[in-house]
Amino acid sequence: DTGVSQNPRHKITKRGQNVTFRCDPISEHNRLYWYRQTLGQGPEFLTYFQNEAQLEKSRLLSDRFSAERPKGSFSTLEIQRTEQGDSAMYLCASSLQGKNTEAFFGQGTRLTVV
Amino acid sequence: KNEVEQSPQNLTAQEGEFITINCSYSVGISALHWLQQHPGGGIVSLFMLSSGKKKHGRLIATINIQEKHSSLHITASHPRDSAVYICAPSGAGSYQLTFGKGTKLSVIP
Repeated sequence: DTGVSQNPRHKITKRGQNVTFRCDPISEHNRLYWYRQTLGQGPEFLTYFQNEAQLEKSRLLSDRFSAERPKGSFSTLEIQRTEQGDSAMYLCASSLQGKNTEAFFGQGTRLTVV
Repeated sequence: KNEVEQSPQNLTAQEGEFITINCSYSVGISALHWLQQHPGGGIVSLFMLSSGKKKHGRLIATINIQEKHSSLHITASHPRDSAVYICAPSGAGSYQLTFGKGTKLSVIP
């Protein structure tokens, strides 16, 4: 297992277009997290899955954002009708279930909306 | 909401110097991550600790739960240590991490 994998690494899109990112967690990890990081800031929580269930969503996750983890393995994050303010690094992390388990991060997908 | 403060925001050191990065948070937590982020964005977890002290190579992390404070130390710093170091506590009862803004470290040869 090579760790948490995110695709694509970079995405440039025109405003108004839809984009979808994929995250493949470490195979035995049942917890999966999405975070967003804008320039000069620390990452901010977007959403959290335990297996296929989406258990937490941040207020940052507007109606244009949707995340899925249909089989409890990989996850997708879709942004519809992208806006320039969506330009950011989107980070995925995974961890085992249990108290105080360590999170492992992917390389991120850098989105630029032009 | 857990307010996380890191200091300093930027740090330039000469190779070989001992480095300390501090993190304070406002809400009781169950554990805290120290993360390293290189240009290009990928994040690597350095430590996760809930009490006391952990050491890995030249890196040492300490936490004082009662004082809501953690420190990351780098001994014998090297230019390859240049990165952004981020403190991320996870609150009791919550699985999500709250991140500091990071400390940008530059180690000069």
